[in-house]
Amino acid sequence: AQSVTQLGSHVSVSEGALVLLRCNYSSSVPPYLFWYVQYPNQGLQLLLKYTTGATLVKGINGFEAEFKKSETSFHLTKPSAHMSDAAEYFCAVSDNTGFQKLVFGTGTRLLVSP
Amino acid sequence: NAGVTQTPKFRVLKTGQSMTLLCAQDMNHEYMYWYRQDPGMGLRLIHYSVGEGTTAKGEVPDGYNVSRLKKQNFLLGLESAAPSQTSVYFCASSYSRRSGNYEQYFGPGTRLTVT
Repeated sequence: AQSVTQLGSHVSVSEGALVLLRCNYSSSVPPYLFWYVQYPNQGLQLLLKYTTGATLVKGINGFEAEFKKSETSFHLTKPSAHMSDAAEYFCAVSDNTGFQKLVFGTGTRLLVSP
Repeated sequence: NAGVTQTPKFRVLKTGQSMTLLCAQDMNHEYMYWYRQDPGMGLRLIHYSVGEGTTAKGEVPDGYNVSRLKKQNFLLGLESAAPSQTSVYFCASSYSRRSGNYEQYFGPGTRLTVT
């Protein structure tokens, strides 16, 4: 079975500071990994994904994540936080043999202060 | 393109009442999914469908039924609502694995309260 652990239900940063949101996964098969963002009262929007190939993936809004197989991690980073980045972020894993069902982490709420 | 739409946006039910949530997508996606989102628990898969006329159980299917009579629509039914079904429900859709595009596209959600 697959699972995702997101460390920290809330992360607070100052505007302009580095954003680091942690995600570790468990999967018995090579995983497909995703980061989604959810703004208040909205659905989820894909930030970035890793399926195969380059382990450093770049997404929208200046975010990137690195797949590290040895650490079973897929941490999300952004060099400089903006106020508009305040949202909830979900890491998810999908197996590459099934019907692309996603298993989500419990989410991390990013708070950005001026 | 409207993408993925959900009807209704909000609903309040009394225990024991029934209702149907409608999801529609206009992207010709093969796969469709229903998730529920609860505080501190992320999103959990209720049911999914890999094509017209097919459905399958996800992680938390009890108390729900689904149907996919048309490719573009995926209905989620609650036959006898319970307070434990108070949640935000999200529908999503995606292309099949053959496409090589593994992104799921999400609707805006339905906030359901069962009293």
